[in-house]
Amino acid sequence: DQQVKQNSPSLSVQEGRISILNCDYTNSMFDYFLWYKKYPAEGPTFLISISSIKDKNEDGRFTVFLNKSAKHLSLHIVPSQPGDSAVYFCASGGTSYGKLTFGQGTILTVHP
Amino acid sequence: KAGVTQTPRYLIKTRGQQVTLSCSPISGHRSVSWYQQTPGQGLQFLFEYFSETQRNKGNFPGRFSGRQFSNSRSEMNVSTLELGDSALYLCASSLGTGAGNTIYFGEGSWLTVV
Repeated sequence: DQQVKQNSPSLSVQEGRISILNCDYTNSMFDYFLWYKKYPAEGPTFLISISSIKDKNEDGRFTVFLNKSAKHLSLHIVPSQPGDSAVYFCASGGTSYGKLTFGQGTILTVHP
Repeated sequence: KAGVTQTPRYLIKTRGQQVTLSCSPISGHRSVSWYQQTPGQGLQFLFEYFSETQRNKGNFPGRFSGRQFSNSRSEMNVSTLELGDSALYLCASSLGTGAGNTIYFGEGSWLTVV
């Protein structure tokens, strides 16, 4: 039972344009959501998070949107840069101590 | 401020052996959790420790165990290694435990079982 799903295995965008990465979850008990960026052979790097009491959170080029009724969140990166090319994971937490449930990841490629 | 530090970064073990991986959390962080990443299963939660107590455990066999010391350092142990245990093992730390605590990851320990 995959409680967090990233349905797009990959996304390709042009430098300077917007990247939109999507994530769906099924467990309504999740109340904290995070996005991580990961390069091969490295640990995930925290990007941005959002609590279930909010519907939007911004940090520089990164904005996360949460639609609780649809159990959907998205990460917007504007403008996209070649250095953003990596695997992006969404993760959900709040149901139990210290545990995050991860999606399968989306490979983002930003072309110069 | 130093991040989460894991040792060793790479190791090769033989089936049936055991392995111990170490983790030093970010200074001041009291919660340490462990994850396994494999190509087929993605990132999966192993267990979480807070104040030397295991607070939560994922769906892994008893061959996987861990502990946390009074200085918040943590170790995880895998006994009787199987080929399927080959994975990237990630340690993560956070200030506290529970929702709202951002979890920061280390670089990981690559384990290959042959």
